[in-house]
Amino acid sequence: DTGVSQNPRHKITKRGQNVTFRCDPISEHNRLYWYRQTLGQGPEFLTYFQNEAQLEKSRLLSDRFSAERPKGSFSTLEIQRTEQGDSAMYLCASSLYGTGELELFFGSGTQLSVL
Amino acid sequence: QQPVQSPQAVILREGEDAVINCSSSKALYSVHWYRQKHGEAPVFLMILLKGGEQKGHEKISASFNEKKQQSSLYLTASQLSYSGTYFCGTAGSSNTGKLIFGQGTTLQVKP
Repeated sequence: DTGVSQNPRHKITKRGQNVTFRCDPISEHNRLYWYRQTLGQGPEFLTYFQNEAQLEKSRLLSDRFSAERPKGSFSTLEIQRTEQGDSAMYLCASSLYGTGELELFFGSGTQLSVL
Repeated sequence: QQPVQSPQAVILREGEDAVINCSSSKALYSVHWYRQKHGEAPVFLMILLKGGEQKGHEKISASFNEKKQQSSLYLTASQLSYSGTYFCGTAGSSNTGKLIFGQGTTLQVKP
């Protein structure tokens, strides 16, 4: 078990560019979550998947954000036409739903800086 | 709605105790506690389900009062390794995968 892996660790981009982040969850975990965290704040929920199905998406999430988990394993989060306000740490977490285990295992995150 | 944590920051000497509170305006199914050190991922501490149970993990324990929609995290005989930011995350139902996190409480333990 290597834990939740996120790539890249850091991403610097110019305003208006598209960026894509990848998350590899713990292999047997069926749920995968994306959160966003800004300095001094707690993680903010963005969306989550159970297997390949996207079950919920935050109403605060702009249409510029899209996430996929095509085969129920890894997931990608894409931000189109980035804005300076998108600068944040993007955290991925996974869990094993259906066994009574509720713990979220977080990755180390991707730090996005939009210039 | 985001749960409210108090205090925002605590400074302790090694061996002292601390209490961190988490309060929600919505009915809760569960409260989750995580600790995050600077530049690292949040790490799970414990989960409390509705029913008012209290849990313990070494010298860290927590309680959950579902009627008051409040949870408290108790750190006893604090160690330097306890330093970090503590977040409570709340869930309104058992089926949701979504946690709403508080703004965090920064704990600094000094020698």
